[in-house]
Amino acid sequence: EDQVTQSPEALRLQEGESSSLNCSYTVSGLRGLFWYRQDPGKGPEFLFTLYSAGEEKEKERLKATLTKKESFLHITAPKPEDSATYLCAVFKAAGNKLTFGGGTRVLVKP
Amino acid sequence: DGGITQSPKYLFRKEGQNVTLSCEQNLNHDAMYWYRQDPGQGLRLIYYSQIVNDFQKGDIAEGYSVSREKKESFPLTVTSAQKNPTAFYLCASSPGYGELFFGEGSRLTVL
Repeated sequence: EDQVTQSPEALRLQEGESSSLNCSYTVSGLRGLFWYRQDPGKGPEFLFTLYSAGEEKEKERLKATLTKKESFLHITAPKPEDSATYLCAVFKAAGNKLTFGGGTRVLVKP
Repeated sequence: DGGITQSPKYLFRKEGQNVTLSCEQNLNHDAMYWYRQDPGQGLRLIYYSQIVNDFQKGDIAEGYSVSREKKESFPLTVTSAQKNPTAFYLCASSPGYGELFFGEGSRLTVL
C-alpha cells in the first residue's frame, strides 16, 4: 500500500531560523512528488513538482529536494508570511491521482 | 479569471439530510477530484473523474456520490449514509500528470 508520511507534524520557528520539512514515501511506480502550501481555510496552492532523485527546485526562500525514499522542503531565513501548512503528495500514473501526506504546520514568529 | 469555484463556502446539515456541494471549473481540464480534509490532517481522496460521464471511487467513497455530466462541473453529494460528514471539502481539477488546481473549499457542519 502506498504511504506518504510527513514530519514533523508542527514546527515553530523564529524569523530567520532555517529548517527542513521531511516527506518520506513508499510508492511503487512514482511518477512525481508534489509540494503544496495551504493557508488556513483555503485550498492548497502548488509549489513544486520533482520527478527524479537528485532533482532540486527553488522558489524564494523554499527549496525542495528528492531522493529515492524521501523529499525535503528547506525553508531558508523564514519570514512570518511563510507560516502555513505544507503538504507533500505522490503521483502514480496508474489511476492518475495524488496521495497526500498529513502535512507539516509551520509557524514563523517575528 | 480562470479557476475552480466551490459553493457554498459554509454549509450546515441536519442529520439524515443529503447535501450537494458544487464545483465548477473554467480551466478546460479533463480531470476533476474531490478531497476531504479533517482538522490537522492531510487530504483524503473521495472520488475523481478523468473524463465526462466517467468517475472512480477514491479511498473514502462510502456515503458520497458524484456525477460528471459536463466537463466544467463535478458536484459532490454527501448522503445520510456518511456517518461523520463534518469536514472541509476540496475540489480540484488537473491538466494531467498530477498538478492539481484547488478551489477555496466548502466547510460542512452537521448539526
